[in-house]
Amino acid sequence: DQQVKQNSPSLSVQEGRISILNCDYTNSMFDYFLWYKKYPAEGPTFLISISSIKDKNEDGRFTVFLNKSAKHLSLHIVPSQPGDSAVYFCAASEGNAGNMLTFGGGTRLMVKP
Amino acid sequence: EPEVTQTPSHQVTQMGQEVILRCVPISNHLYFYWYRQILGQKVEFLVSFYNNEISEKSEIFDDQFSVERPDGSNFTLKIRSTKLEDSAMYFCASKSLGEQYFGPGTRLTVT
Repeated sequence: DQQVKQNSPSLSVQEGRISILNCDYTNSMFDYFLWYKKYPAEGPTFLISISSIKDKNEDGRFTVFLNKSAKHLSLHIVPSQPGDSAVYFCAASEGNAGNMLTFGGGTRLMVKP
Repeated sequence: EPEVTQTPSHQVTQMGQEVILRCVPISNHLYFYWYRQILGQKVEFLVSFYNNEISEKSEIFDDQFSVERPDGSNFTLKIRSTKLEDSAMYFCASKSLGEQYFGPGTRLTVT
């Protein structure tokens, strides 16, 4: 059951450049999407979210884009910094209130100095 | 900044033993969750808890699992008779509105 899929297991970018992480979903009932960052031996840390009524949400260096017709979302990090190196998880839920998150498999981002 | 805490950080147990994993959610949060991540696999939802009862559970959360909020601060996950395949990182999460905040996890190793 792959309702949320991150097709790139890893991504390597140069410091200062843009990192683009992608996520696809199949469940059309999903209407709330989140990105989490995870370092080894730590829990997922919330980064940014977007509701299905929007197509873009920005917070500092992080921007999430949602294309509902394509069932696709992406996370842009500009400019990328070495401290951004981590595993990034896309997650989705049906409704916001209290509902479970379905996670993608993660993308390991490496930002090279 | 408030955070979700979990204890222990690592638990080793023998197959068939009971384990209790403990979590202290963020104090004003109303929704509580357990997830797990088997090594090399996705983070998977186990159960959600609201208003002192389970609101949703996955197929993984069978009769061997239970959750409890024994007081105003703790939220526990009990596995009655552990199996080898229960070995995983177990994450607690909580939320009020919007996003879920995760704890650092408990690594459960069943031998």
